Amino acid sequence: DQQVKQNSPSLSVQEGRISILNCDYTNSMFDYFLWYKKYPAEGPTFLISISSIKDKNEDGRFTVFLNKSAKHLSLHIVPSQPGDSAVYFCAASGEGAQKLVFGQGTRLTINP
Amino acid sequence: EPEVTQTPSHQVTQMGQEVILRCVPISNHLYFYWYRQILGQKVEFLVSFYNNEISEKSEIFDDQFSVERPDGSNFTLKIRSTKLEDSAMYFCASQDRGANVLTFGAGSRLTVL
Repeated sequence: DQQVKQNSPSLSVQEGRISILNCDYTNSMFDYFLWYKKYPAEGPTFLISISSIKDKNEDGRFTVFLNKSAKHLSLHIVPSQPGDSAVYFCAASGEGAQKLVFGQGTRLTINP
Repeated sequence: EPEVTQTPSHQVTQMGQEVILRCVPISNHLYFYWYRQILGQKVEFLVSFYNNEISEKSEIFDDQFSVERPDGSNFTLKIRSTKLEDSAMYFCASQDRGANVLTFGAGSRLTVL
């Protein structure tokens, strides 16, 4: 039951360029979407979120875009920095439930 | 900045033994969660806890699992009789009322031999 999918297990980007991480979901009842970042031996850390009533949310170098009709969201990081190298998880919640449903994660590597 | 703390950071146990993983959520948070991540797989929901009772649990959270908030600060996950497939990172998370963001701890790595 993969309600949240991240189809790219890994992504490699040059420092200074834009990183684009993608996420698809199948449950139309999801109404809140989040991106978490995870370093090895640490827990997931909240990065940015978006409500289903919006199509874009920006916070510094990070922007999340939501396309409800396509059930797709993306995270843009620009410019990418070496410290951005981590695993990024897309997560969603909805249907009145508090829990988050996570995607499989995308390992982002920023090359100097 | 307030954080969720988990102990132990790593526990090795023999199959069939009981394990208790401990968590101290952020003090004013009201919702508590356990998630797990088997190596190389995604972060999976186990159970949510609110108002001193389980509010939701997944299929993974069978009779071998239990949660407790024994003293108003700690939140524990007990596995009664561990199996090899219980080997994973277990993450505790807490959430404030009205918030959509969960704050996670650093995790407890459980290795079942």
